[in-house]
Order: sequence, then structure tokens, then C-alpha cells
Amino acid sequence: NAGVTQTPKFRVLKTGQSMTLLCAQDMNHEYMYWYRQDPGMGLRLIHYSVGEGTTAKGEVPDGYNVSRLKKQNFLLGLESAAPSQTSVYFCASRRYIIRGTKEDGYTFGSGTRLTVV
Amino acid sequence: GDSVTQMEGPVTLSEKAFLTINCTYTATGYPSLFWYVQYPGEGLQLLLKATKADDKGSNKGFEATYRKETTSFHLEKGSVQVSDSAVYFCALSFSSRLTFGEGTQLTVNP
Repeated sequence: NAGVTQTPKFRVLKTGQSMTLLCAQDMNHEYMYWYRQDPGMGLRLIHYSVGEGTTAKGEVPDGYNVSRLKKQNFLLGLESAAPSQTSVYFCASRRYIIRGTKEDGYTFGSGTRLTVV
Repeated sequence: GDSVTQMEGPVTLSEKAFLTINCTYTATGYPSLFWYVQYPGEGLQLLLKATKADDKGSNKGFEATYRKETTSFHLEKGSVQVSDSAVYFCALSFSSRLTFGEGTQLTVNP
């Protein structure tokens, strides 16, 4: 059971370049999330999706786009990378919680360390 | 909006010492509360959770109680080990979104 898999694990970009981060989950979870982690700021939500074909903005969406064409995949795109986007990016997923049932928690990938120079 | 505030770190303890990491939250509804742990170079792992007031979550000797009256979810462990050295995140889940505190770096010395 792989859980949540992120690719790539490391990447160095030049300012202005574009790239896509891939998140794949094999737990049939409905909800998927992209976070960025910066020192002293915890994890901040970039975008999320509550189902295939849907996306929504989180706390820090500017400069990023996402797509959820398949239930198991959630892509995070940077169209024109900036040094301020140097960060560690985490993907997470969670199943739909039926009212009255217990919350399982969110499952996280191992992260992508991105450096923009 | 929803928010989580953790005690400022870093925290340095000797092995077998008692640990408390404070966490308070602000939420518009009735969230679920979590503690996640991040070991060096790794992703986040769920440590424990509580889904309603007065619930106590526990795992690996760690405990936290959901206190609605004080909007708190403090993490405690009676006797820490060197292997507990990590970053600990308090988080709340409401309306399908997970909101994190800033994280607390814990270092346990032998």
C-alpha cells in the first residue's frame, strides 16, 4: 500500500521556468490537498480538491495552478517560478467523512523540495 | 477564519523528562483536532486525534485532550526519549480543510 506518492522528490528551477508536481494516492480518497512548508510558518494550504474535476483555492494560491482530472491524481503547476516559491511541498489526501462516522485523519506524502534560483 | 497557535519553540529536554507542548485554536464550528509529527527529512505522520469535546487522543505514550471550554489541545508525554526528537504540529480540521500551527521543534538529549 503506497499511500500518497509525490514526484519528483527534489528539483531546482531557474526563475521563470515552469514545472508540474505530481501527487498520486491509491486509497480511493475523495479529498486531496497541496501545502507548502516554510520555516517558522507551519504548513499553508495552496489549493485543494473535494473530488474529481473540482479544485478550490486555499490560503496561498497565487502563482500556482492545480488540476484533478483523475480521482487518484492531483497536479500542482508553477507557470513561472519565482524565488519566493522555494519551499517544501506536501500533498495530502483524506476520505469523505460521512456524518456520524469518525475522522480518520489526513495522509501525507513525503514531500518535494523545490529550489528556485 | 480558523487558526491554530502553538507554543514557541524550540524545546530542549533531557531524556525521561515530562513534555508539554501547548496548542490553542480558534474555529467557527466544531473541528476535529490532530497532532502530527515530522521526523527529519520525512513527511508528516498522524500522532493522535480527537474528534469531539473531552475526547482524549493517545499514541506511543503521547496524550492530548480536546478542551472546548479553553479551546485547547495540549500535547503531553510523561517520559520522553531521544527518538521523540522531531517537529510537532497541532492542526484542526473543519469544512474539509486542515489548518496547522507553526510547529514546535523538540530535541531530546541523552
